[in-house]
Amino acid sequence: EAQVTQNPRYLITVTGKKLTVTCSQNMNHEYMSWYRQDPGLGLRQIYYSMNVEVTDKGDVPEGYKVSRKEKRNFPLILESPSPNQTSLYFCASSLLTKQGGDTEAFFGQGTRLTVV
Amino acid sequence: QKEVEQDPGPLSVPEGAIVSLNCTYSNSAFQYFMWYRQYSRKGPELLMYTYSSGNKEDGRFTAQVDKSSKYISLFIRDSQPSDSATYLCAMSDWAAGNKLTFGGGTRVLVKP
Repeated sequence: EAQVTQNPRYLITVTGKKLTVTCSQNMNHEYMSWYRQDPGLGLRQIYYSMNVEVTDKGDVPEGYKVSRKEKRNFPLILESPSPNQTSLYFCASSLLTKQGGDTEAFFGQGTRLTVV
Repeated sequence: QKEVEQDPGPLSVPEGAIVSLNCTYSNSAFQYFMWYRQYSRKGPELLMYTYSSGNKEDGRFTAQVDKSSKYISLFIRDSQPSDSATYLCAMSDWAAGNKLTFGGGTRVLVKP
């Protein structure tokens, strides 16, 4: 079954304690990205990766890091979490878009992070 | 001003009614237009996908894109209680890569 798997689904942590949210896809997709979803603001892209070892900032990258050492995995790292990073996080993967091509993005189930 | 505007709702309709959803956008470079459905505590799932202008139908769902007006719509015919969810429009420009720009989502409630 084609899927994007995130872990953990729920996480409560304290300010400043480093954490990693894992993301893995089994569809051999080149493109992976992280979004955060906040009430009234919708989904906003944090970081994306177009392939192994190729990552770039999205719209709201401050306070986050990512790595892409393998094609299937794209972990999101919060080195020093702060309360304003309390949010619902989604990982997504898709084939790399070309003009006229398929751009369907598959999303994970989400990670609800609370930073106190 | 947001790049993609979407009425947050909630939109409440009786079972069997037509649900009409829409988004407006400001970036004329957008070429891919998508509608996602998101159930509570779940990730978004793709419903409809349209490249450039025109209409697309899939079962009870019809997506319309009017690039001249920068306006997209989703219609759900014969709505069911299981259609109760948040509907997100999203769009992208292939030249800018796969980044999706989302609307804020419209919450839909279909009452039995």
